Amino acid sequence: GENVGLHLPTLSVQEGDNSIINCAYSNSASDYFIWYKQESGKGPQFIIDIRSNMDKRQGQRVTVLLNKTVKHLSLQIAATQPGDSAVYFCAERDSNSGYALNFGKGTSLLVTP
Amino acid sequence: DGGITQSPKYLFRKEGQNVTLSCEQNLNHDAMYWYRQDPGQGLRLIYYSQIVNDFQKGDIAEGYSVSREKKESFPLTVTSAQKNPTAFYLCASSPHPPLDRARNQPQHFGDGTRLSIL
Repeated sequence: GENVGLHLPTLSVQEGDNSIINCAYSNSASDYFIWYKQESGKGPQFIIDIRSNMDKRQGQRVTVLLNKTVKHLSLQIAATQPGDSAVYFCAERDSNSGYALNFGKGTSLLVTP
Repeated sequence: DGGITQSPKYLFRKEGQNVTLSCEQNLNHDAMYWYRQDPGQGLRLIYYSQIVNDFQKGDIAEGYSVSREKKESFPLTVTSAQKNPTAFYLCASSPHPPLDRARNQPQHFGDGTRLSIL
């Protein structure tokens, strides 16, 4: 079936460096993508989203890149801070097929001082 | 502040018992969702509701039931038929029904209920 997965289950970066978290998806009809951050014992927190008619979108310290050719999504975090340590999930939806957001399994980001 | 409130934060279930998890939102969102998260896993959809008095099964609805009598409330009952209920349960809402394709909006989540078996 369709799936959303992540290339790396864990990522360790030094404080102040840039982080890149990757996500591969398999449904070529997916047209909406979201990145969430989840801290321990809490619910996922919305970070940024992107629609399939775009290939880049920027937020505060975060950038999402979408490459529909290779079905790849990435989240870039600039000047990573200790507070960025969390699990990051990508999610996608094929809006023509209905309701479901399909979540990847997550990447754990650890920021070391 | 507007948000999604889930209660209780921790819940314990005895064998053969039904338990109900509460989810309330004051964001005036139309759509609400219930997800299950197992350790080291992504989220799996249990049920969702687009409007009051209407709800649909997600991917793993067996052993669960829901109601949507009010726009702001979407309680989830974990029944005794759910043989492996231990998990982290997350409620979410979004401004528009998910089938409104022209207005994709992210889902916003509560802080979850952790359910364990006694």
